[in-house]
Amino acid sequence: QITLRESGPPLVKPTQTLTLTCTFSGFSLSTTGVGVGWIRQPPGQALEWLALIYWDDDKRYSPSLKNRLTITKDTSRNQVVLTMTNMDPVDTATYYCAHRSPIVDTAMADWGQGALVTVSS
Amino acid sequence: ETVLTQSPATLSLSAGERATLSCRASQSVRSGYLAWYQQRPGQAPRLLMYATFSRATGIPDRFSGSGTGTDFTLTINRVEPEDSAMYYCQHYAKSPLLTFGGGTRVEI
Repeated sequence: QITLRESGPPLVKPTQTLTLTCTFSGFSLSTTGVGVGWIRQPPGQALEWLALIYWDDDKRYSPSLKNRLTITKDTSRNQVVLTMTNMDPVDTATYYCAHRSPIVDTAMADWGQGALVTVSS
Repeated sequence: ETVLTQSPATLSLSAGERATLSCRASQSVRSGYLAWYQQRPGQAPRLLMYATFSRATGIPDRFSGSGTGTDFTLTINRVEPEDSAMYYCQHYAKSPLLTFGGGTRVEI
């Protein structure tokens, strides 16, 4: 059974850096073709893809947010970390991490429950 | 970047009816790169369909996908109250890796 769980601060101040951790089980990020990505959803709005890291440490970022995002992995701890700098109230959203499998390689097959992050002073 | 436009915004149906959801791409996309998700209120998205036609694990065969080029459709046969949710289409590309449509709300 594949599970993912997001963790991080529920509240950050404007200009601060957000650090979110995705802890997963049921798969390994050392397996060829596997990836873990981050997607966010502002309240009442649609989904927005942010970043994805592959088993071989290849990293992809949303072009519009690339300068603010960093994604890293710790394969031994089954964790992926996303940092987003210079947070703004418009970044208030539920942040999801999700699993990209080698079989379903053009979509995200498994999702965490999400972590709501509010940006406010 | 390929823009995905979903219609209608809201679809209201009675149980047992058929739901037809549309996803239109701003440029032609490969059928292997189009997916659909269901998001029930307060829950995370769940993958329904990938590569246009393939059902994800555990998805009942009431759900089916079709389409080619710029026009794609998610069909839900014999809708049930549990199908009440937001539905999003998604495109996979080199950059950005994933783009999502604005969603269709289905009310049963």
